[in-house]
Amino acid sequence: EAQVTQNPRYLITVTGKKLTVTCSQNMNHEYMSWYRQDPGLGLRQIYYSMNVEVTDKGDVPEGYKVSRKEKRNFPLILESPSPNQTSLYFCASSSLGAGSYEQYFGPGTRLTVT
Amino acid sequence: QQQVKQSPQSLIVQKGGISIINCAYENTAFDYFPWYQQFPGKGPALLIAIRPDVSEKKEGRFTISFNKSAKQFSLHIMDSQPGDSATYFCAASRVANDYKLSFGAGTTVTVRA
Repeated sequence: EAQVTQNPRYLITVTGKKLTVTCSQNMNHEYMSWYRQDPGLGLRQIYYSMNVEVTDKGDVPEGYKVSRKEKRNFPLILESPSPNQTSLYFCASSSLGAGSYEQYFGPGTRLTVT
Repeated sequence: QQQVKQSPQSLIVQKGGISIINCAYENTAFDYFPWYQQFPGKGPALLIAIRPDVSEKKEGRFTISFNKSAKQFSLHIMDSQPGDSATYFCAASRVANDYKLSFGAGTTVTVRA
């Protein structure tokens, strides 16, 4: 089954404790992206990657890091989480083929930072 | 600042009625306008999308109307069903550039049986 998987689905942590949220896709997509969803703000892009070893900032990159060492994986790293990073996070992927623009989203990771 | 403005924030419609959600954008470089549907506890999923070279696209009960000169687009859900109860997000992207999706704030649609 074609899908984007995220782990963990739920995470409660404390301020300053480094964490990683993993994202993996099995569709051989070149493009991957992280979004955060907050009430009244919709989804905002954190970072994106057009291919292996190619990453760039989205609209809200502060406090986050990413890496793209393999095509299928795109982990999101919070080096020192703060309470304002409490949110619902989504990973998405897309093919860069002509005419194919749909982004496929993972199930989400709900993060609470206390 | 939100690049895509969406309204209303929520709406309630009777079964069989029409739901209408409106979006507006400023950036004329946007060249792809999708609508995503999200059910509670799930990730968003593409519902329907349009490119700016057409003014309307229909897929089943869902229709996008696009007005390039006004920089507005809307989603119409005809014959609304309880299973359509979800949050709907409009978005805009520059697929010729970086594929970045800019989302509206979302509209929660509740269809009463």
